[in-house]
Amino acid sequence: SQTIHQWPATLVQPVGSPLSLECTVEGTSNPNLYWYRQAAGRGLQLLFYSVGIGQISSEVPQNLSASRPQDRQFILSSKKLLLSDSGFYLCAWSSHLSGTVDNEQFFGPGTRLTVL
Amino acid sequence: KNQVEQSPQSLIILEGKNCTLQCNYTVSPFSNLRWYKQDTGRGPVSLTIMTFSENTKSNGRYTATLDADTKQSSLHITASQLSDSASYICVVTRNTGGFKTIFGAGTRLFVKA
Repeated sequence: SQTIHQWPATLVQPVGSPLSLECTVEGTSNPNLYWYRQAAGRGLQLLFYSVGIGQISSEVPQNLSASRPQDRQFILSSKKLLLSDSGFYLCAWSSHLSGTVDNEQFFGPGTRLTVL
Repeated sequence: KNQVEQSPQSLIILEGKNCTLQCNYTVSPFSNLRWYKQDTGRGPVSLTIMTFSENTKSNGRYTATLDADTKQSSLHITASQLSDSASYICVVTRNTGGFKTIFGAGTRLFVKA
């Protein structure tokens, strides 16, 4: 069965510090991978998605970047955190099967980031 | 503009009661609509999916409906339980090259004993 891991679960960082959040998926190959941010009481905002190694698409301009060094590894980074980067970060994966409309996304447990 | 709007923003009901959550969308071209349940501090989990030709789908006490003509969907929860307290998110996917999923802001449901 497929599983998705995220770490750390919680993180408190000072403004201006760097960030690295990691997401790994097990039990599937060549998944689509996603990074979302959810501000308190708000909906999910898609930050990045990836259809393959080294292929990253950004949905919104921001202070963050993403990388996919391996097929099932997705990393969210920042060189200098801002207060506005605080939020709940979720990684997700979906099947890369072509022709399917069942594009259910499976979410990880999330990382709660607080920037002080 | 492709948007998904949900109402109400939040809802409080007593345990055992029924409730209905609404989702209106302006997404085109339409591929499918999903309802997700998100427990506090957790990732969302899919409850139902409906394509253009489906107008109702059940998953236990959850029943989703879809009216593709009016671009409306609802999620009906029957005999609510305390564990139903969560955010319910409507997600619409466009039938376009690649993929494009658009998330609603969610309805926060509180079930009280």
